[in-house]
Amino acid sequence: AQKITQTQPGMFVQEKEAVTLDCTYDTSDQSYGLFWYKQPSSGEMIFLIYQGSYDEQNATEGRYSLNFQKARKSANLVISASQLGDSAMYFCAMREQTSGTYKYIFGTGTRLKVLA
Amino acid sequence: AAGVIQSPRHLIKEKRETATLKCYPIPRHDTVYWYQQGPGQDPQFLISFYEKMQSDKGSIPDRFSAQQFSDYHSELNMSSLELGDSALYFCASSFTWAGGTEAFFGQGTRLTVV
Repeated sequence: AQKITQTQPGMFVQEKEAVTLDCTYDTSDQSYGLFWYKQPSSGEMIFLIYQGSYDEQNATEGRYSLNFQKARKSANLVISASQLGDSAMYFCAMREQTSGTYKYIFGTGTRLKVLA
Repeated sequence: AAGVIQSPRHLIKEKRETATLKCYPIPRHDTVYWYQQGPGQDPQFLISFYEKMQSDKGSIPDRFSAQQFSDYHSELNMSSLELGDSALYFCASSFTWAGGTEAFFGQGTRLTVV
């Protein structure tokens, strides 16, 4: 079963507007971490934001914020004031504990295109 | 700040050849991960090392092997290469002890098998 689900294969947003990228997850662990990564066309994987399962407040990092709804098992990424440079693939990932260490599981990604 | 270094950035090999990918984690990070990302795919976990010991194994073919050395750098060895091995290979590192941190990824090695 898919542990990380990103239902939006592609999204368009007008420059300077906000956009929400959806992510739902499935885990029976009490302690876990949720991450968003950005992958531009150049290929590198850039860490954006992290939310711990015990964090009561939604994480924010500059123009990025994570809308964490634990009961619904969702961790949506909100990008405010979109810029052309935000056009990229965005992956939601979950860190789960395994064999004393961790493993990161990725969703299938959402390709965001920012329009001028 | 130091990042995860991968080499080479690009690699072209013929079928049935062998390839070695190298990864230098962020200093003091104790965990290294290898991921494979096929064209248009999400990254798939291959293998991880914690303090130089293999800690977990994912969907890594038997033709692939990896190890982490005393200086914490890691190498992914791929033998009998197939066309389907063409992908972007990421190495990531994190600090797992005492709760863990986010995984930081290298820029990847793009392997093309022809």
